[in-house]
Amino acid sequence: NAGVTQTPKFQVLKTGQSMTLQCAQDMNHEYMSWYRQDPGMGLRLIHYSVGAGITDQGEVPNGYNVSRSTTEDFPLRLLSAAPSQTSVYFCASSKPTGTSTQYFGPGTRLTVL
Amino acid sequence: QQQVKQSPQSLIVQKGGISIINCAYENTAFDYFPWYQQFPGKGPALLIAIRPDVSEKKEGRFTISFNKSAKQFSLHIMDSQPGDSATYFCAARLGTSYGKLTFGQGTILTVHP
Repeated sequence: NAGVTQTPKFQVLKTGQSMTLQCAQDMNHEYMSWYRQDPGMGLRLIHYSVGAGITDQGEVPNGYNVSRSTTEDFPLRLLSAAPSQTSVYFCASSKPTGTSTQYFGPGTRLTVL
Repeated sequence: QQQVKQSPQSLIVQKGGISIINCAYENTAFDYFPWYQQFPGKGPALLIAIRPDVSEKKEGRFTISFNKSAKQFSLHIMDSQPGDSATYFCAARLGTSYGKLTFGQGTILTVHP
């Protein structure tokens, strides 16, 4: 199994540009999540999904959109990038069991100029 | 609002010493407390986790101590090794919110040889 994969690894955008961060998992996990990691702030939840067709907002959803059409994929869209969205983005997946581990992808480092 | 507070921000330990990282939480509905380890350029990976009905859990050199009345938990790394140098995050999860972790701010651990 490849686990959780993310593309691209690095991306530089100009303010106002749009892009999609890709996330895929091959573990048949129902739950998928997007986090952003900023220095001194840990990881903060952006959006999450409990299954195909079902998404909900996390702690910092503004400026981001998600959709989930399949169990495997959970893309994150930035419609109009802002410098405040410069961060490292992590996708994660898990199964809905008591002590289920949340598996993280390798991350995408995004810089918005 | 930081629901999980982690300290210290950074920690330097000599090889063979004990590393201790502390976390405090506010929401008594949290019922699952994992610790994640993250190496530079990688995604976080589950290290060890505990449920609040247990006061201590040990896996090899890593131990979680949990104090439910004080709403605090800590990670102890015995016989710390240079290979343990990484960023450590505590986290907490509400009940069946499997896709939603609330993270602490992170601790950068450096173990000197």
